[in-house]
Amino acid sequence: NAGVTQTPKFQVLKTGQSMTLQCAQDMNHEYMSWYRQDPGMGLRLIHYSVGAGITDQGEVPNGYNVSRSTTEDFPLRLLSAAPSQTSVYFCASSLRQGAQPQHFGDGTRLSIL
Amino acid sequence: EDQVTQSPEALRLQEGESSSLNCSYTVSGLRGLFWYRQDPGKGPEFLFTLYSAGEEKEKERLKATLTKKESFLHITAPKPEDSATYLCAVQAYGAQKLVFGQGTRLTINP
Repeated sequence: NAGVTQTPKFQVLKTGQSMTLQCAQDMNHEYMSWYRQDPGMGLRLIHYSVGAGITDQGEVPNGYNVSRSTTEDFPLRLLSAAPSQTSVYFCASSLRQGAQPQHFGDGTRLSIL
Repeated sequence: EDQVTQSPEALRLQEGESSSLNCSYTVSGLRGLFWYRQDPGKGPEFLFTLYSAGEEKEKERLKATLTKKESFLHITAPKPEDSATYLCAVQAYGAQKLVFGQGTRLTINP
């Protein structure tokens, strides 16, 4: 099993560009989520999904969009990148809603110029 | 609002020098407290879950303990490979999300 796979590992964007961060898991987990990690701050929840076709907002959802068309995939879209979105993004999954522990991918390091 | 504070921010030890990391929390009904390890350039890796005050969990040189207000991660006779950032998180009853602390960056010098 690969676990949680995130692509790309690194990305540099210009302000105003859009892009999609990919996340896939092969553990048949129902629950998937996106976090961002900034220096001096804890991981903060952006969006989450409790199953295919169901998504909801987390703590810091503005500027991001998600969809969940399959159990395996949970892409995160930046609609119009801003320098404040420079961060490391982590995707995580767990067996079902509220279940722990969560399994994390290795992150996408995103810089917005 | 649920909150997690970890201390110290950074800790440097000599190999074999035991110490403890602190995680103080406030939460509206604790469902679970979680410890993760994060290596540079990697995602958090799960270590322990604690559910109630008085509970303890051990794994190799690590032992996690829980009270009603804080958790400690005790590191006994650490080795250089224990160097990492250690993250603490809590989940409240009925909540989807984990609330994370800022982490403690641990360095073990040989």
